[in-house]
Amino acid sequence: EAGVTQFPSHSVIEKGQTVTLRCDPISGHDNLYWYRRVMGKEIKFLLHFVKESKQDESGMPNNRFLAERTGGTYSTLKVQPAELEDSGVYFCASSRTLNTEAFFGQGTRLTVV
Amino acid sequence: AQSVTQPDIHITVSEGASLELRCNYSYGATPYLFWYVQSPGQGLQLLLKYFSGDTLVQGIKGFEAEFKRSQSSFNLRKPSVHWSDAAEYFCAVGPPTSGTYKYIFGTGTRLKVLA
Repeated sequence: EAGVTQFPSHSVIEKGQTVTLRCDPISGHDNLYWYRRVMGKEIKFLLHFVKESKQDESGMPNNRFLAERTGGTYSTLKVQPAELEDSGVYFCASSRTLNTEAFFGQGTRLTVV
Repeated sequence: AQSVTQPDIHITVSEGASLELRCNYSYGATPYLFWYVQSPGQGLQLLLKYFSGDTLVQGIKGFEAEFKRSQSSFNLRKPSVHWSDAAEYFCAVGPPTSGTYKYIFGTGTRLKVLA
């Protein structure tokens, strides 16, 4: 069984550009989460999908961030336009149910210059 | 406010030595407790978790953690460290009831192992 897969592993973009991160959860996992770690700080929750619906997006920093989950399968996180403070590592995780273990991907390291 | 504190940003130990990584939390109730490890180039891997019951929890790779309610702590231990344990370790708490699976993470402890 494949784990949670994130693309790309690294992305370097200029301030003002758009970047789209992708997450493929484990097959059959209805719950998908996005987290972010800004340099040297804690990993923070961004949002949670149950299938294709946003269950909780209280951690999204502002309206430059847009997350979607087409058909309840893979998810994308778009940052438009990117700012310097958006740099960090973006983690995706999935779980079969709300109270079972969440499996994390390897993260996407985003650098905005 | 809910928070997780990992007071040690960096720890260096010699291979074969014992290890203890500290974690304290502030939460309204007893949460679910987790330790994750991130090795270079890898994702976050769950080492162990505590939901209820026995306060000494065994995990993978020879790690264990002890929940102490009176101290709001969940320290991670290993009796003999291997060079492959060099990584970053994250303590996390989650809601004790069903609902959104929103983890609160500590800032991480980076472990260096000397040969």
